[in-house]
Amino acid sequence: NAGVTQTPKFQVLKTGQSMTLQCAQDMNHNSMYWYRQDPGMGLRLIYYSASEGTTDKGEVPNGYNVSRLNKREFSLRLESAAPSQTSVYFCASSVLGDEKLFFGSGTQLSVL
Amino acid sequence: GENVEQHPSTLSVQEGDSAVIKCTYSDSASNYFPWYKQELGKRPQLIIDIRSNVGEKKDQRIAVTLNKTAKHFSLHITETQPEDSAVYFCAASYGGSQGNLIFGKGTKLSVKP
Repeated sequence: NAGVTQTPKFQVLKTGQSMTLQCAQDMNHNSMYWYRQDPGMGLRLIYYSASEGTTDKGEVPNGYNVSRLNKREFSLRLESAAPSQTSVYFCASSVLGDEKLFFGSGTQLSVL
Repeated sequence: GENVEQHPSTLSVQEGDSAVIKCTYSDSASNYFPWYKQELGKRPQLIIDIRSNVGEKKDQRIAVTLNKTAKHFSLHITETQPEDSAVYFCAASYGGSQGNLIFGKGTKLSVKP
């Protein structure tokens, strides 16, 4: 039982490049989330998917898109990376109606 | 917009002492208040949570108190140990939507042996 798995763990991009961060959970959770963590800023919600087939914007959605591929997988895409998107990205999941979040191990992204 | 303020940003205590971290929130509809612990380079992990119909909750050496009237809640750690050293985040639900959390900016707790 791996929980929430994120790939890659580290990534370096040049400004303007695109990439997709992958997230999968094996806990049969309905809801999935993408957060970013910046020094001194806590965790901020980018996008979430309350259930398969739905996605909604969080606090800081600009510059990102998401896809809820199926119940297990929720990907985050940066179409044209900017230095301001340098951050640690965490995927999380929860049971629908239960706010307890289970986080993945994070992706450290640097945009040069 | 919704906001969660967390204080202090850093806290240093001697092993065996107590530590208290305080948070205030702005959304009067918030009804769920979790605390997460994040060790260096690791993922955040839930350590305790409280719902709006409860004033206090304890789990061994940690406790959380909630004052809905004043819109603030606190984490209390007693008999601190070096392994309690980490960054602690409070959070509050918002928008009436399950699972949507606004996080505080974190408190770095250092426990000195």
